[in-house]
Amino acid sequence: GAGVSQTPSNKVTEKGKYVELRCDPISGHTALYWYRQSLGQGPEFLIYFQGTGAADDSGLPNDRFFAVRPEGSVSTLKIQRTERGDSAVYLCASSLGGSFDEQFFGPGTRLTVL
Amino acid sequence: GQSLEQPSEVTAVEGAIVQINCTYQTSGFYGLSWYQQHDGGAPTFLSYNALDGLEETGRFSSFLSRSDSYGYLLLQELQMKDSASYFCAVRDGDDKIIFGKGTRLHILP
Repeated sequence: GAGVSQTPSNKVTEKGKYVELRCDPISGHTALYWYRQSLGQGPEFLIYFQGTGAADDSGLPNDRFFAVRPEGSVSTLKIQRTERGDSAVYLCASSLGGSFDEQFFGPGTRLTVL
Repeated sequence: GQSLEQPSEVTAVEGAIVQINCTYQTSGFYGLSWYQQHDGGAPTFLSYNALDGLEETGRFSSFLSRSDSYGYLLLQELQMKDSASYFCAVRDGDDKIIFGKGTRLHILP
């Protein structure tokens, strides 16, 4: 079956612009996670959804970052007034729902802020 | 603060066995996972330990000691395709997944 998909695969933007990154999880997966990964580092937790609600958004670095999952499926990560330090690969993962379920990662969106 | 420590790089020979260690310090603990990531690829799940002991899945095994806040990933009969980065990850008391910085495994022919 289809895995986790993310669009776009690459996004180049200018400092100060607004971007939206989309994640389409595996059908039926109620849990959805966003991570950010810089070169040579492990994925850094940003936010976790259980259904439509953000169960934990403590990893969002500041109020320029926001994420939604209005219907409990597709999620959008929104970044306002982008800064060069936001450049990274943004990974989305989904799991069936239980706390201990294996996470399935998407291919990521590589964001470059010039 | 929360931290996971694992070696940054490990080198081994094709056909050999290699162990990648991970120590953690987190607020609460539900379990330890291992993920593999090839260059340019997404992390893929390898194993999960919630209880002490060894879990074996084919050539890969994972061990956990909760009292020592320590675990390891054991890879046997190494193949060139195993060259990748390996991440340990802890599910903390808030149900968040905290990843280590990763261990880059180099395999020599």
